[in-house]
Amino acid sequence: SAVISQKPSRDICQRGTSLTIQCQVDSQVTMMFWYRQQPGQSLTLIATANQGSEATYESGFVIDKFPISRPNLTFSTLTVSNMSPEDSSIYLCSAQINEQFFGPGTRLTVL
Amino acid sequence: GQQLNQSPQSMFIQEGEDVSMNCTSSSIFNTWLWYKQDPGEGPVLLIALYKAGELTSNGRLTAQFGITRKDSFLNISASIPSDVGIYFCAGPIQGAQKLVFGQGTRLTINP
Repeated sequence: SAVISQKPSRDICQRGTSLTIQCQVDSQVTMMFWYRQQPGQSLTLIATANQGSEATYESGFVIDKFPISRPNLTFSTLTVSNMSPEDSSIYLCSAQINEQFFGPGTRLTVL
Repeated sequence: GQQLNQSPQSMFIQEGEDVSMNCTSSSIFNTWLWYKQDPGEGPVLLIALYKAGELTSNGRLTAQFGITRKDSFLNISASIPSDVGIYFCAGPIQGAQKLVFGQGTRLTINP
């Protein structure tokens, strides 16, 4: 397994601004993932972030809206850009170590 | 695409009762995963299943990988208050490491 931390744990933001979420893993991993969990819903994959390559986005998610960095094998960031109230969700990162292990999530509220 | 249908969506039980939930798909999965999510937390991996017909236990939890590879179930015996939460099944999309999640089963326990 892995210990995964996320920062911030929660934030309240104004529409039109951007927020960068950080994800730190306590061991080196090749594959990391970013998910969105809208209120009362299941998890939806935003993108796969492999170190050394561009992130791969799922249908309905684009790089301009959700830019991702993966500078090394233990860290990734997701930016939610030009936010609107519809972006209010929990954002989760995960790391692949045999199976996927998740961080605690970042609860984002956009006013 | 591959989808997972999880049922029931919610359960209200008395403490001490047994619980059963299941997950089905029209597609074959080579791995079935069961996660639990507590409020304000990320999903935690409970059980991973890798072979058709496999039956695996983790304490009071038992999960089985269906023989057709299109379904799985999770049982919880003698439920206790800390079993409250949302249970998700998940499986990797064929040819990729990325996961697809079921809709979740919300478990509520009356003491």
